[in-house]
Amino acid sequence: AQSVAQPEDQVNVAEGNPLTVKCTYSVSGNPYLFWYVQYPNRGLQFLLKYITGDNLVKGSYGFEAEFNKSQTSFHLKKPSALVSDSALYFCAVRDDTGGFKTIFGAGTRLFVKA
Amino acid sequence: GAVVSQHPSWVICKSGTSVKIECRSLDFQATTMFWYRQFPKQSLMLMATSNEGSKATYEQGVEKDKFLINHASLTLSTLTVTSAHPEDSSFYICSARRAAITETQYFGPGTRLLVL
Repeated sequence: AQSVAQPEDQVNVAEGNPLTVKCTYSVSGNPYLFWYVQYPNRGLQFLLKYITGDNLVKGSYGFEAEFNKSQTSFHLKKPSALVSDSALYFCAVRDDTGGFKTIFGAGTRLFVKA
Repeated sequence: GAVVSQHPSWVICKSGTSVKIECRSLDFQATTMFWYRQFPKQSLMLMATSNEGSKATYEQGVEKDKFLINHASLTLSTLTVTSAHPEDSSFYICSARRAAITETQYFGPGTRLLVL
């Protein structure tokens, strides 16, 4: 069965500092991994995805994520946080066995202080 | 590109009435659309998957007769909450998968439903 864990309910970081939002996963086959961001009362916006290839994936708004197969992790990172990055971040996974059901993590709220 | 809209953005209704929520892919054809429910401060829970022209596939625990899903065209899916009750109050979000690109879902802005 597929599962996603986001171990931190909340991450606090000062503006200009690097940020990391953690995600670990479990799938039967090879993973397709995604990060989405949600602003209050809004739907989800796609940030980036890993399907295959380079383990370091670059996405929107300066975000990147590193796929680590041995640790089954896909942590979201940004070198320099902005106050406007404050939002709810969801990690999601599905496997490559043919279905398209995507499982979402519980979400991590990011607060960036000025 | 890849814009998904939902209508209405929010709705308040009386207990016992039915509410229809529309999900449209504005600039692409969506072979598959998904309906999610999100409770406050929680993640998205997949309710059902709908494929154009066929019956929706509901997740375990989701009442088919309560949440009617229709995917009549490649750009429109509807979710009807029948005989709504206060416990159905939630944030409903749809997403769509582009026909030619399979990996990414594009999400609508969500519909907030409040049942009094």
